[in-house]
Amino acid sequence: AQTVTQSQPEMSVQEAETVTLSCTYDTSENNYYLFWYKQPPSRQMILVIRQEAYKQQNATENRFSVNFQKAAKSFSLKISDSQLGDTAMYFCASTSNSGYALNFGKGTSLLVTP
Amino acid sequence: KAGVTQTPRYLIKTRGQQVTLSCSPISGHRSVSWYQQTPGQGLQFLFEYFSETQRNKGNFPGRFSGRQFSNSRSEMNVSTLELGDSALYLCASSLEQGSGEKLFFGSGTQLSVL
Repeated sequence: AQTVTQSQPEMSVQEAETVTLSCTYDTSENNYYLFWYKQPPSRQMILVIRQEAYKQQNATENRFSVNFQKAAKSFSLKISDSQLGDTAMYFCASTSNSGYALNFGKGTSLLVTP
Repeated sequence: KAGVTQTPRYLIKTRGQQVTLSCSPISGHRSVSWYQQTPGQGLQFLFEYFSETQRNKGNFPGRFSGRQFSNSRSEMNVSTLELGDSALYLCASSLEQGSGEKLFFGSGTQLSVL
């Protein structure tokens, strides 16, 4: 079975600092997609960033960037200049073999402190 | 453009009852997926609909069913509710069906089974 592992259940970072959330995944596919989603207390899952596996260049979205290591099956999220509004659960996900579903990790709870 | 709308936001039912949850996707989106989120199991894929047809189904019992209407709105139904069905049910829509499509989530329906 395909799995996505987030080894850090909780993390804390001070405002304006940088934090990196870890994710490893397991897939037998050659082409797949990886995602980071954010779930604030409002419960709505919000897409943070998407990476296509066949693209070597790491995806970036403003203060959010990823370190995609295909051979190691690692997909970490770096948040720069952390803001209080970044406080949320962060979920790493990969596309499944069927392509139509996402496999999610258990999540990392990030707290940004003043 | 309005986001994904899920109704109701909260629902309390008793064991043995059935429940229907509703999801209105973003205008123009044709694919709707459903996920169950629990503290123990995390996020698990239920099913995905495209053009009124169920294209993919997760590993859930037949008590969980759904449908999609011609306007892309979707409903999911759970019959003979069990305590373990208590969860946050998230609906997500995407423009098209296919691997790597960006999913846009609603705020979910929190179901409590007593």
